[in-house]
Amino acid sequence: AQRVTQPEKLLSVFKGAPVELKCNYSYSGSPELFWYVQYSRQRLQLLLRHISRESIKGFTADLNKGETSFHLKKPFAQEEDSAMYYCALSEKMTTDSWGKLQFGAGTQVVVTP
Amino acid sequence: NAGVTQTPKFQVLKTGQSMTLQCAQDMNHEYMSWYRQDPGMGLRLIHYSVGAGITDQGEVPNGYNVSRSTTEDFPLRLLSAAPSQTSVYFCASSYVFTATNEKLFFGSGTQLSVL
Repeated sequence: AQRVTQPEKLLSVFKGAPVELKCNYSYSGSPELFWYVQYSRQRLQLLLRHISRESIKGFTADLNKGETSFHLKKPFAQEEDSAMYYCALSEKMTTDSWGKLQFGAGTQVVVTP
Repeated sequence: NAGVTQTPKFQVLKTGQSMTLQCAQDMNHEYMSWYRQDPGMGLRLIHYSVGAGITDQGEVPNGYNVSRSTTEDFPLRLLSAAPSQTSVYFCASSYVFTATNEKLFFGSGTQLSVL
C-alpha cells in the first residue's frame, strides 16, 4: 500500500518570505513523486516531478528517501503562488501501474502582500 | 486542441437517480482516468483505462461504472446516486509507456451534488 501525507491544510506566508510545503510518503518500492498545482479557476496541472530534478517557477523539491519526504520549497514567495498544491506518488512505471497516482490531501497556500 | 473536456460542469441529482459524466480528449492519449476530490482527502482514483476496451478499478470504484469504446471518450456512470457521491469529479488523461513523461492532463471538473 502507498500513502501520501501533507500535514498542512493551509499555509499562509508573506510575499518575499520562504515557503515550504511538506510531503511525506510511505511506500516500500521505488517511488516516482510529483507536485501538482491548482490555481484559482484553473485546471490541476503538473508543477514538477522528482525525476526531472528541475526548478519550475522558482520551486524545487528534493526526494529524501531516508526521511521518505518530498518537500516543495521556494525561497521567495510571490502572490501568484497562491494556490492548492498536491503531492502525488506513483509506482515506477510498469504496464499495470502506469498513471495510478496517489494524491495527498493538498495544502492551500495563501501569499499575502 | 481542446485538451480534456468534461461535461456537465455542474449537476444536482436526487438520491437514486442515474447520470453519466462525460469526458473526451483530443490528444490521442491512451490512458484516461476519473478522480473524485473531497475536502481533506485529496484526489482519489475511481476507475482508469489504458486503452480502448480496457478498464480497471481504482481506489474507490463502488457505485461507479465506466467503459472505453473509443480512444477519445471515457464516460463515468452513476447508476443510483447517493449523497456520499457528492463531490468534484476530474477526468485526466496522458500518454502511456512514455519513458520520461508521466504527466496527467486534467479536465476542468464536474461539481456534483446528490440530495
